Amino acid sequence: AQSVTQPDIHITVSEGASLELRCNYSYGATPYLFWYVQSPGQGLQLLLKYFSGDTLVQGIKGFEAEFKRSQSSFNLRKPSVHWSDAAEYFCAVAPAGAQKLVFGQGTRLTINP
Amino acid sequence: DAGVTQSPTHLIKTRGQQVTLRCSPISGHKSVSWYQQVLGQGPQFIFQYYEKEERGRGNFPDRFSARQFPNYSSELNVNALLLGDSALYLCASSSTSGAEGGELFFGEGSRLTVL
Repeated sequence: AQSVTQPDIHITVSEGASLELRCNYSYGATPYLFWYVQSPGQGLQLLLKYFSGDTLVQGIKGFEAEFKRSQSSFNLRKPSVHWSDAAEYFCAVAPAGAQKLVFGQGTRLTINP
Repeated sequence: DAGVTQSPTHLIKTRGQQVTLRCSPISGHKSVSWYQQVLGQGPQFIFQYYEKEERGRGNFPDRFSARQFPNYSSELNVNALLLGDSALYLCASSSTSGAEGGELFFGEGSRLTVL
């Protein structure tokens, strides 16, 4: 069965600092990979996705993620965070061709001024 | 254009009751999916419907059912509510049936509290 692990439940960084959120997945083949963000009281918004090709993926709001097959990882990065980035971040996987997403438990990001 | 809309936004039920949650997808989207998000956890897939046909079902008991109407809106029904059904129920719509290409657009959810 597919599974997604986000090892960090809560991360605090200072505004302007760099950010890396970790995501590891378990799946027999290369799945489709996603990062979503959820702000309080709002639905999930897609930051970026990886299906195939270039393993470094650019997303919205200055985020990027790198797929590393050997490590079964899809970590999310941002070079300089803004206070508005404070939110819950979810990594998700889907089997190729299917729309059933399996989410990790999420990482809550707090930004210190 | 309107995004995915869900109703009601909040509701409180007691154990054993039944609840119906509603979702209107983005105009032109034919796929609707339902997810359950328990506090402190990631969303869990419940159902996907595409062109009014069930395309996927998650690991939920038969108390959970859904349907999609000709206008592509959808309802999620939960019977015999349990305390553990308390959660945020998210609806997502997409223009395609598969994960490739089509982005999932999520609504803000219906928060169900079971007392």
